[in-house]
Amino acid sequence: QKEVEQDPGPLSVPEGAIVSLNCTYSNSAFQYFMWYRQYSRKGPELLMYTYSSGNKEDGRFTAQVDKSSKYISLFIRDSQPSDSATYLCALLGGRGGSYIPTFGRGTSLIVHP
Amino acid sequence: KAGVTQTPRYLIKTRGQQVTLSCSPISGHRSVSWYQQTPGQGLQFLFEYFSETQRNKGNFPGRFSGRQFSNSRSEMNVSTLELGDSALYLCASSLGQGAPRPTYEQYFGPGTRLTVT
Repeated sequence: QKEVEQDPGPLSVPEGAIVSLNCTYSNSAFQYFMWYRQYSRKGPELLMYTYSSGNKEDGRFTAQVDKSSKYISLFIRDSQPSDSATYLCALLGGRGGSYIPTFGRGTSLIVHP
Repeated sequence: KAGVTQTPRYLIKTRGQQVTLSCSPISGHRSVSWYQQTPGQGLQFLFEYFSETQRNKGNFPGRFSGRQFSNSRSEMNVSTLELGDSALYLCASSLGQGAPRPTYEQYFGPGTRLTVT
């Protein structure tokens, strides 16, 4: 079992839809949770950064962490075609407190007009 | 402020050759990390350099090595290339203060696409 599982998709939604992207993980030591967005032929860019459990909102994006279920989510409201990209979750602190990030393999999102 | 730059952007090499990739971090950033991204394995951590010292290392063979210069620029070298080394190699920079609480806001470059034939 991989440390971090993420459905590769693709996830195809109409413009304006609410998108839910998720990762599950197995190591309860992870404490820092990040979401990156990667456009084709580009490097990943950091979207959201949260510590421990709870919610964090930034504009149309909401990151949610449920440590009891080892489940993290990224919600995108009012999705736009420009949101079409691959979304990667990344977790830190899972190897004896190591700050080497463990990435999910990414979910491809397609928002069609 | 200029972003992270990586050169070259594309590279084609033959099995057995070696390759050197270059990364220039954002001005003021002292930490540079390298990653390998493939469709099968996703994004995997190679190593991190901070102030010219390797601070963290992932689970890659010794054929993969790196270094960092006093101006924080970094190079990554892969010797004796194998077909499986074909990947997108990404460099990421951060301020790098690190401990005890990570300010792990990394900024990635566009990557170098390496193809080994």
